[in-house]
Amino acid sequence: GDSVTQMEGPVTLSEEAFLTINCTYTATGYPSLFWYVQYPGEGLQLLLKATKADDKGSNKGFEATYRKETTSFHLEKGSVQVSDSAVYFCALTIFGNEKLTFGTGTRLTIIP
Amino acid sequence: EPEVTQTPSHQVTQMGQEVILRCVPISNHLYFYWYRQILGQKVEFLVSFYNNEISEKSEIFDDQFSVERPDGSNFTLKIRSTKLEDSAMYFCASRNRQGASGTEAFFGQGTRLTVV
Repeated sequence: GDSVTQMEGPVTLSEEAFLTINCTYTATGYPSLFWYVQYPGEGLQLLLKATKADDKGSNKGFEATYRKETTSFHLEKGSVQVSDSAVYFCALTIFGNEKLTFGTGTRLTIIP
Repeated sequence: EPEVTQTPSHQVTQMGQEVILRCVPISNHLYFYWYRQILGQKVEFLVSFYNNEISEKSEIFDDQFSVERPDGSNFTLKIRSTKLEDSAMYFCASRNRQGASGTEAFFGQGTRLTVV
């Protein structure tokens, strides 16, 4: 079946550090890939997405590239801020299927 | 900005009791979902709902679970007889069209259900 494996947390970084959160997937079909973020007290929000191989999704300084050869979609940001503290979820859908398949989530804490 | 709203934010219930988790999806959305996350585990799909019927459900969604859209605005998840293992964060989501490649699902803030 389809599955998403993401980096175990929690992750704690200093402000302005470089961030990578790893995500790999297994899919029976051709997936679309997503990163969702959950800020404290809020719902899951779409951060970025990529729908085909070699696409790069980007938003708010975050980037992730759809790598079919390594079945990965790692999240990166060059310089994190305290406001980036949240839980980050990697997810996929298969075209024609409605459901999202999520990873476990990675809690990120940025300290000033 | 339109948002998905869930109530309550936290519910504590005794084992064996019925609970109803409530969601108000975005008003022009047509596809509705429930997911759950047991602490420390993955966010898991429970059920999808379209045109007043279930379109897909997971193996988790057994006879103890049901969903309803009673009045055209609310979307509810009922657990008939709660078990300790039902303790989790439950997320509602909605989408304005079917999950074609890259279509965004909008999520609520979640209801934390604690069964004691």
